[in-house]
Amino acid sequence: NAGVTQTPKFQVLKTGQSMTLQCAQDMNHEYMSWYRQDPGMGLRLIHYSVGAGITDQGEVPNGYNVSRSTTEDFPLRLLSAAPSQTSVYFCASRDDRLSGNTIYFGEGSWLTVV
Amino acid sequence: QQPVQSPQAVILREGEDAVINCSSSKALYSVHWYRQKHGEAPVFLMILLKGGEQKGHEKISASFNEKKQQSSLYLTASQLSYSGTYFCGTATGANNLFFGTGTRLTVIP
Repeated sequence: NAGVTQTPKFQVLKTGQSMTLQCAQDMNHEYMSWYRQDPGMGLRLIHYSVGAGITDQGEVPNGYNVSRSTTEDFPLRLLSAAPSQTSVYFCASRDDRLSGNTIYFGEGSWLTVV
Repeated sequence: QQPVQSPQAVILREGEDAVINCSSSKALYSVHWYRQKHGEAPVFLMILLKGGEQKGHEKISASFNEKKQQSSLYLTASQLSYSGTYFCGTATGANNLFFGTGTRLTVIP
């Protein structure tokens, strides 16, 4: 049981490039989400999904796209990278079978846009 | 919808106690507490549901005052391993979790 797996762990992009951060979970969780973490800002919700085929925007969705074709996978796409997107990105999934909906995080992806 | 945490940072000597507070402007369904070590993912500590419950895990406990829309995390007899950044996450329903900006806790010998 691997939990939440993110790839790549580190990535450097040039301004204007596009890329996809991969996220997979093997816990059969319906809910998945992406957060970004910046110094002094805490964790901010980018996009989330409550199940396959359903996605919605969080607090800071601009510049990012998501899709959810399967329960297991929830990739995050940067359409045209900007230096403001330099951040640490965390994918998370949630066990809705438990009361309170505990969130489990992946190990993070460190992205630098130059 | 981001909750407010205080203090922003605290330094303790081993064995001392600390309290970290989390407050929201909205009615809360649940409060979640996480600890993050530098360069690692946040790790779940505990969750409190509305109803004013209090939870504890060894020397770390938390309370949730639903009426005041506040939660507090209590760390007693701190250990070096308690160092890290503590985040509270709040949910106004069975939906998304919004996090505070964190409290950096440093425990020194």
